[in-house]
Amino acid sequence: DARVTQTPRDKVTEMGQEVTMRCQPILGHNTVFWYRQTMMQGLELLAYFRNRAPLDDSGMPKDRFSAEMPDATLATLKIQPSEPRDSAVYFCASGPDRPYSYNEQFFGPGTRLTVL
Amino acid sequence: QKEVEQNSGPLSVPEGAIASLNCTYSDRVSQSFFWYRQYSGKSPELIMSIYSNGDKEDGRFTAQLNKASQYVSLLIRDSQPSDSATYLCAVTSPRDDKIIFGKGTRLHILP
Repeated sequence: DARVTQTPRDKVTEMGQEVTMRCQPILGHNTVFWYRQTMMQGLELLAYFRNRAPLDDSGMPKDRFSAEMPDATLATLKIQPSEPRDSAVYFCASGPDRPYSYNEQFFGPGTRLTVL
Repeated sequence: QKEVEQNSGPLSVPEGAIASLNCTYSDRVSQSFFWYRQYSGKSPELIMSIYSNGDKEDGRFTAQLNKASQYVSLLIRDSQPSDSATYLCAVTSPRDDKIIFGKGTRLHILP
């Protein structure tokens, strides 16, 4: 049963601390996306990768957020330093290698981040 | 600015009736359209994709696409309480790989 996995599922931290979220995409998928979801803003795209190369991270606050894909089985999203306004659910999604017109994405269970 | 608009709801529908969810999009060259279902506290789950004008049926779900009107809809027949969720409309264009999500419509099926 192929699915996207994310760790941790829940994270409570204090303002100023570093937070690292991890994602394992579905094996064989070559696109990986990071989203943030809040009640007010809905789903916001933070960054995405194709074949491990970052293609767009314009949705991320550059001064504190960074996203990497050290290998095909791991994507990371790091926040340093964290702030209370970063509290949200962070989703990772991956998609199969198909022409651009078939951009299906499959979501992981999410990381619920609370910054105190 | 590419946008996807949905009525936030809640949309209340009696059990057994047809639920109709609507979505409009602003990018005229959009080519791929998706409906995701998200239960409270869970992640979005892909339930329908549609790429051509017309209807696409999958079980109790029918997606309808009208590119001329820039409109996509989702019909749920024989609505069940388990269909109560938020439904997210999502759209992509050939310009990039990104999906633009609407903010979702909350659907409540009344037993």
